[in-house]
This record gives sequence, C-alpha cells and structure tokens, in this order.
Amino acid sequence: QVQLVESGGGVVQPGRSLRLSCAASGFTFSTYGMHWVRQAPGKGLEWVALISYDESNKYYADSVKGRFTISRDNSKNTLYLQMNSLRVEDTAIYYCAKHRDGMDDWGQGTTVTVSS
Amino acid sequence: DIVMTQSPDSLAVSLGERATINCKSSQSVLYSSNNKDYLAWYQQKPGQPPKLLIYWASSRESGVPDRFSGSGSGTDFTLTISSLQAEDVAVYYCQQYYSTPYTFGQGTKLEIK
Repeated sequence: QVQLVESGGGVVQPGRSLRLSCAASGFTFSTYGMHWVRQAPGKGLEWVALISYDESNKYYADSVKGRFTISRDNSKNTLYLQMNSLRVEDTAIYYCAKHRDGMDDWGQGTTVTVSS
Repeated sequence: DIVMTQSPDSLAVSLGERATINCKSSQSVLYSSNNKDYLAWYQQKPGQPPKLLIYWASSRESGVPDRFSGSGSGTDFTLTISSLQAEDVAVYYCQQYYSTPYTFGQGTKLEIK
C-alpha cells in the first residue's frame, strides 16, 4: 500500500532554513506529481507547491515563492521541500501528497514551528 | 487565483439525516476539452491528514462509502452525505485542481445534532 512519511520538521528561528523530506513507497514514485500542503494550527489547508513526475515543472503558492524550493530524487523515492527565510506565519503541519485527480494519498505530516 | 468558498462554515445534522455542503468557485473549473470539473472533496478528522472522498466533482474514491456523493459543474458544487453516521464527524474541504495555485475552500465542520 502507498506510504508517505514526512520528516525534517522542528523548531526554528525566523529567517533560518529547514529542509523537509517525504519518503514514498508502495507505488511507482517516478510517475506521479507530488504536492506539499500545509495547515497552520487550527486553520484550513493551504496548498504550497507541486512538482511534476520528472521535475520539469514546479509551481508554488505566492506566499512561499522565492523562499521555498520543491525537488525530488526519483532514485531515492523521496520528495523535498527546502524552506529558506522562514517566517512565523510558516508555522504549520506540512503534508506531502500524491497527485492523481486531486490528492489521493497523504502522509501524516511533519510539524514546523517558526519562533524566536 | 481561483477562490473557493464553502457554505456553511459549520453544520449540525442528526444521525441518519442528510448533510449537504456547498462549494462555489470564483471561476469555472470545467475544462471544456474533456468536459471534466477539476474539483475534489476531502474529509479531515481530528489529528489525521485529509482523505480524498470525491474527484472530478462526482467520482467517488475507491473505498469511500456510497452515502457520500458529489454533484455540480462549472462553479457550483455540492457534497452530500445521504445518511449521517457518527464516524462522519469531520471537517470537509473542497479543492480545485484546474489551475495553480490549487486552492482549498475554508472548510465546513460537520457535527452531530
């Protein structure tokens, strides 16, 4: 069965960087686009970024454009989110999700807290 | 950006009764070349990630009970739970995947009356 396991979250000061990872298994990772979606405490879902199956196309929410970079390593079945210049408002649970007519599989999420 | 607006924000329904959640997009999410609406519905229970219920506005995801159904086209969509069960207590989100950014509605919290 499909498994998506996020890691890399933690507590970081404003302005610092963090890299999230999402390890995928149970499906042919290299043939699917992948998303990052976040959820601030007590809030709704916010789409963050999408990467195509071959990394040829990447899309970002305006709120993270220029600060976050989505990437993948298909040889390692792993999705990444490099987050630079972090802000307090980036505090959230970050989920990775598989793209198929929406988002059909999600990880359990990793928590990022940006605080001084 | 396409803005997704759900109504109501919260809803209390008796067990066994029908629950209806609406979602309106600020522009059409119907792709004319394939006549498909790029609209999905998710269910999120406390402490869990979202779960895909409906895609293409009305196609039920595998394993989702048939009491869940989606309808609508263009800019107006509805998620219906025909007979509410206790396990359906959750927050429900619509999402468009017609164009990036793939925006979500603000969510509708469904409770038991």
